[in-house]
Amino acid sequence: DIVMTQSPLSLPVTPGEPASISCRSSQSLLQNNGENYLDWYVQKPGQSPQLLIYLGFNRASGVPDRFSGSGSGTDFTLQINRVEAEDVGVYYCMQAVELPTTFGQGTRLEIE
Amino acid sequence: QVQLVQSGAEVKEPGASVRVSCKTSGYSFTSYGISWVRQAPGQGLEWMGWVSPYNGNKNYAQKIHGRVAMTTDTSTGTAFMELWGLRSDDTALYYCTRNRNMVATTMDYWGQGTLVTVSS
Repeated sequence: DIVMTQSPLSLPVTPGEPASISCRSSQSLLQNNGENYLDWYVQKPGQSPQLLIYLGFNRASGVPDRFSGSGSGTDFTLQINRVEAEDVGVYYCMQAVELPTTFGQGTRLEIE
Repeated sequence: QVQLVQSGAEVKEPGASVRVSCKTSGYSFTSYGISWVRQAPGQGLEWMGWVSPYNGNKNYAQKIHGRVAMTTDTSTGTAFMELWGLRSDDTALYYCTRNRNMVATTMDYWGQGTLVTVSS
């Protein structure tokens, strides 16, 4: 199975400041079609996870443009330009290049 | 709008079975895959498997293979996940999700979750 490793696991951020989460995979997530099969999800307190970014860098419907995804192959980053209080939650990366689909351990973003 | 509404919480004894339903609406049911994900208390996300409402194809996580069945009812747009031989470590929130396309990839919509508690 592909192992997904996130860092940091805990991320305290001051509102208005940027934040960055790293995700590394044990195998390349780049397919022959040129797509990276890497998604980002956020689980806000008491809620179901929701899709943020798919195929490496595409924002899901309704996601603010201060969220961006980048990377290719085995190294990926989720960037939040200016953190807001509503961004509190646990962020997961997930690979879907091969089954079984696997998730990172999660990064808990908290407001300082 | 796309909605996935799951059945209510369950409490089961060890060794029993549980069936969770996921009623979908707002889209063409047979055009997208359904994946199931679970989350043990205080833990991360674990993919359980995928089923195609179009042709019934499925793929299960090795960890639960042989104890799980994922099915769909195209007449009602409902997906089901049955897990048997329940153990205490099956206690978790179970989510159904819609895949962004027919295969087991991006999960673009999630149900509200169904808490399954396994306890004697």
